[in-house]
Amino acid sequence: GAVVSQHPSWVICKSGTSVKIECRSLDFQATTMFWYRQFPKQSLMLMATSNEGSKATYEQGVEKDKFLINHASLTLSTLTVTSAHPEDSSFYICSARPTVWEEKLFFGSGTQLSVL
Amino acid sequence: SQKIEQNSEALNIQEGKTATLTCNYTNYSPAYLQWYRQDPGRGPVFLLLIRENEKEKRKERLKVTFDTTLKQSLFHITASQPADSATYLCALSGYSTLTFGKGTMLLVSP
Repeated sequence: GAVVSQHPSWVICKSGTSVKIECRSLDFQATTMFWYRQFPKQSLMLMATSNEGSKATYEQGVEKDKFLINHASLTLSTLTVTSAHPEDSSFYICSARPTVWEEKLFFGSGTQLSVL
Repeated sequence: SQKIEQNSEALNIQEGKTATLTCNYTNYSPAYLQWYRQDPGRGPVFLLLIRENEKEKRKERLKVTFDTTLKQSLFHITASQPADSATYLCALSGYSTLTFGKGTMLLVSP
């Protein structure tokens, strides 16, 4: 099946710093990738849809200047949490579909962000 | 507003028994519904998809039913094993992506 790789698996940073998370599709090209955030015992909440070569589409309530998404190639999307604060501490997960007709999502392994 | 409900309490069962998890939804008319498994600290893994015109789908020890009148899906694991212990998420199709429920934790004891 399709493989999505996400790095890093976990990161600890100081308040006010920026953190970049990478999401790669290893064996397929993904024109669209999705970024989710998950708090403990909560559902996955879609943050934004990342589109290769164009601007990301953000969900209501997600600050696009704080969560910068870059989808520069068909196999790589990055999420940068800028000026991170403790309330940004969460589990961030990316996902993708191998084709536009594929209905299921393939997820990365997630990144646990802890902001001190 | 749209809502997906899964039992927030963990389901504890003994090895060998059948586990049944429930997913209820309101204000939705999904074209299909999916079930995923999520282990702690990991991303979800796809298990099964069932379409609105299908009543039941099976895959090995897994079975999913979909009742669009009741707005409910049931997810069954037969002959459960300790390795089946995980959180199971249901997800409903939207315009271009999926909306997930909070998931139900399943604990299978030997």
